[in-house]
Amino acid sequence: GESVGLHLPTLSVQEGDNSIINCAYSNSASDYFIWYKQESGKGPQFIIDIRSNMDKRQGQRVTVLLNKTVKHLSLQIAATQPGDSAVYFCADWKGGSYIPTFGRGTSLIVHP
Amino acid sequence: DSGVTQTPKHLITATGQRVTLRCSPRSGDLSVYWYQQSLDQGLQFLIQYYNGEERAKGNILERFSAQQFPDLHSELNLSSLELGDSALYFCASSPTGQGGYEQYFGPGTRLTVT
Repeated sequence: GESVGLHLPTLSVQEGDNSIINCAYSNSASDYFIWYKQESGKGPQFIIDIRSNMDKRQGQRVTVLLNKTVKHLSLQIAATQPGDSAVYFCADWKGGSYIPTFGRGTSLIVHP
Repeated sequence: DSGVTQTPKHLITATGQRVTLRCSPRSGDLSVYWYQQSLDQGLQFLIQYYNGEERAKGNILERFSAQQFPDLHSELNLSSLELGDSALYFCASSPTGQGGYEQYFGPGTRLTVT
């Protein structure tokens, strides 16, 4: 994954819309992935995870899709709410490694 | 609330000084991770401890060191501080020392070096 930079990609949506946030990872040996949400002034918060033996996993209002062929991860948030406004980023682990790599964050802005 | 606590919340100090950041993991978690988050670098893994022993090292400077104590709390020591060390420092914990498990992050310590 790439580092989060000063200028984050931004996704602006209206309340009630569905949101899709994307993440590219670089290590084809990565076998575990997490999506985190980070609100301003707070630590990252776990949203959902997926292992490489799956291509889709659903949680409450969130779905993670994994495409290992193109090394791409996406997070879908259904019926986005203003409280979903935050920076979202992915992390991946190579099998057997203890060290995660964090993807480029995306700033989600939900307009009421 | 993740169950991970970090102190202090804010720290302002001068260049050349030394500071200690403290982390208490969630009850039962044996592994502690330290991360640095700055505007230009994003979230960077520094170091991991598992049940008192160093498990993995990332982009941690030689001026920085950490340890995990028998009660499993951890401290990150930053010395000879430079302006560029200003950042948010997060601690996370997980039940095991292996990758592939959910990590719970603390609220962070904001370090400002002047």
